[in-house]
Amino acid sequence: GENVEQHPSTLSVQEGDSAVIKCTYSDSASNYFPWYKQELGKGPQLIIDIRSNVGEKKDQRIAVTLNKTAKHFSLHITETQPEDSAVYFCAAMDSNYQLIWGAGTKLIIKP
Amino acid sequence: KAGVTQTPRYLIKTRGQQVTLSCSPISGHRSVSWYQQTPGQGLQFLFEYFSETQRNKGNFPGRFSGRQFSNSRSEMNVSTLELGDSALYLCASSLETSGYSDTQYFGPGTRLTVL
Repeated sequence: GENVEQHPSTLSVQEGDSAVIKCTYSDSASNYFPWYKQELGKGPQLIIDIRSNVGEKKDQRIAVTLNKTAKHFSLHITETQPEDSAVYFCAAMDSNYQLIWGAGTKLIIKP
Repeated sequence: KAGVTQTPRYLIKTRGQQVTLSCSPISGHRSVSWYQQTPGQGLQFLFEYFSETQRNKGNFPGRFSGRQFSNSRSEMNVSTLELGDSALYLCASSLETSGYSDTQYFGPGTRLTVL
């Protein structure tokens, strides 16, 4: 079955710098890859997603890239701000239309 | 539109008891998925319901069960609680997952503590 690995588990960056979180997946049939942000005491919220027919998608300071050949996708956050501090999860939808989740990355923005 | 709501938000039970958690999806959403979130295991898929039918099931023991009502509201039940069942239980709804990837919207979760 599908397996998703996410790195790093913790990422600390200076405010204003960029942050990159990487995920790899195992099922070549996966075709949908969302990223979620979870703040303390809240459920995960979708911040961006990408489907297998595109290689990159941007939304203001956030971008996601997908390399289907290498089976990895990444989240890029530019000009980080204190409110970006949260836990970020990647996921991949397997052939049973079930989301398989990465273990999460705790992003810390240092002032 | 109101978001996904889950009740109760916090629950404390003792080993051996059973518990029922409730989830009201976003109006118009027909698919409801349940997840267990623990610090060490991340989000683990429990099951998904669509039109009152369980369509997908994760790798959890039979003590974990669920159902969906005709108004798409869903409940999950855990019987014979164990200490390891302590977790945040998240519910997510989507418009429809009929083989196409729909965005899942999460509720705030129910924090279950088993003593």
